[in-house]
Amino acid sequence: AQSVAQPEDQVNVAEGNPLTVKCTYSVSGNPYLFWYVQYPNRGLQFLLKYITGDNLVKGSYGFEAEFNKSQTSFHLKKPSALVSDSALYFCAVRDGDTGFQKLVFGTGTRLLVSP
Amino acid sequence: EPEVTQTPSHQVTQMGQEVILRCVPISNHLYFYWYRQILGQKVEFLVSFYNNEISEKSEIFDDQFSVERPDGSNFTLKIRSTKLEDSAMYFCASSESIGNNYGYTFGSGTRLTVV
Repeated sequence: AQSVAQPEDQVNVAEGNPLTVKCTYSVSGNPYLFWYVQYPNRGLQFLLKYITGDNLVKGSYGFEAEFNKSQTSFHLKKPSALVSDSALYFCAVRDGDTGFQKLVFGTGTRLLVSP
Repeated sequence: EPEVTQTPSHQVTQMGQEVILRCVPISNHLYFYWYRQILGQKVEFLVSFYNNEISEKSEIFDDQFSVERPDGSNFTLKIRSTKLEDSAMYFCASSESIGNNYGYTFGSGTRLTVV
């Protein structure tokens, strides 16, 4: 069975500084990895995904993530944080080698960017 | 940009009543899902649906829950006899599995409150 760990409940960063939101995963087959963002009282918005290819994936709003197979990690990064990036971020994984399509989500990390 | 549409956005129901949550997935998608999120917590998989049948379900998805695709466009989640602990945000999602897209699109959710 697949699982995702987001070790930080909250990440605080000052506007303009780089940010990292950590994610590690466990899956028996090939990992398909995703990041979603949730603003208050809103749905889940897709940021980026890794399926195959280049380990550095670029996504929406200037976010990127690096797939590291040896460390089973898929950390979300942004070079310069904005106050508007403050939201709840979810990492998710799917086992690409099975016919099952479900995504398994982490517990979420709240990002707080201060002015 | 194609969207997954969910109705209603909010639903308040009395314990023991039946509720039906409705979703219109993206038209060319083949897989449909329901997830739920208890206030501010982890996003949990409920069920996936493909080719007019359930392809996978979680332990949460017990006999009180059912899904249906009554016509070519709608995808519904029915809870037969609601309990207080069913109060949550329910998200519908759809995905295609053609090529390497593997994109999952989520709706904006239905907030269900059981009183």
